[in-house]
Amino acid sequence: DSGVTQTPKHLITATGQRVTLRCSPRSGDLSVYWYQQSLDQGLQFLIQYYNGEERAKGNILERFSAQQFPDLHSELNLSSLELGDSALYFCASSARDGPYEQYFGPGTRLTVT
Amino acid sequence: AQTVTQSQPEMSVQEAETVTLSCTYDTSENNYYLFWYKQPPSRQMILVIRQEAYKQQNATENRFSVNFQKAAKSFSLKISDSQLGDTAMYFCAFMKLNTDKLIFGTGTRLQVFP
Repeated sequence: DSGVTQTPKHLITATGQRVTLRCSPRSGDLSVYWYQQSLDQGLQFLIQYYNGEERAKGNILERFSAQQFPDLHSELNLSSLELGDSALYFCASSARDGPYEQYFGPGTRLTVT
Repeated sequence: AQTVTQSQPEMSVQEAETVTLSCTYDTSENNYYLFWYKQPPSRQMILVIRQEAYKQQNATENRFSVNFQKAAKSFSLKISDSQLGDTAMYFCAFMKLNTDKLIFGTGTRLQVFP
């Protein structure tokens, strides 16, 4: 158990819908990262937050957004969902800003039908 | 842009034997970090080992060790005394200094059989 929690574990929804994925980092970790794992794109970095502020952006679609709250939990919002958004979404956290080990949560499996 | 290549989609090894997984990367950076992550059937991503590019000494964690060849841009993972629980996808990942994003390879599926 990495100490990072993600809810829900599974999510099935229809095209065009909007969903919110939630992540709680390890106790004391200030950085939260979101990654997408899909069959065709592999594992891709989406976005990072550090202590409530957006720190880095990767291949995140405009339909996707995220935020980190004062209690350090983070949410990833996915809207106007398409079939191709079906993937495993991971949250990871690390202790500080910088090249430190990232510890991953168990992931949320999103299926868009 | 940095890229990570894992040229072995699948590998297998007998229990108690040693196996080496290959990883190469492309970067113009001098300072960076390299990682191996394991993803068992549970889908959890588990950090196996980390290597700082400025360190010449190869990292070791119990049965896991790396062979880091900076000039060749190679970062292989050696698993000694393989166990059934080592069956998983293994991902090599690169992180540039002063950034936090991990760039992953496509993974190598390792099967350990009795």
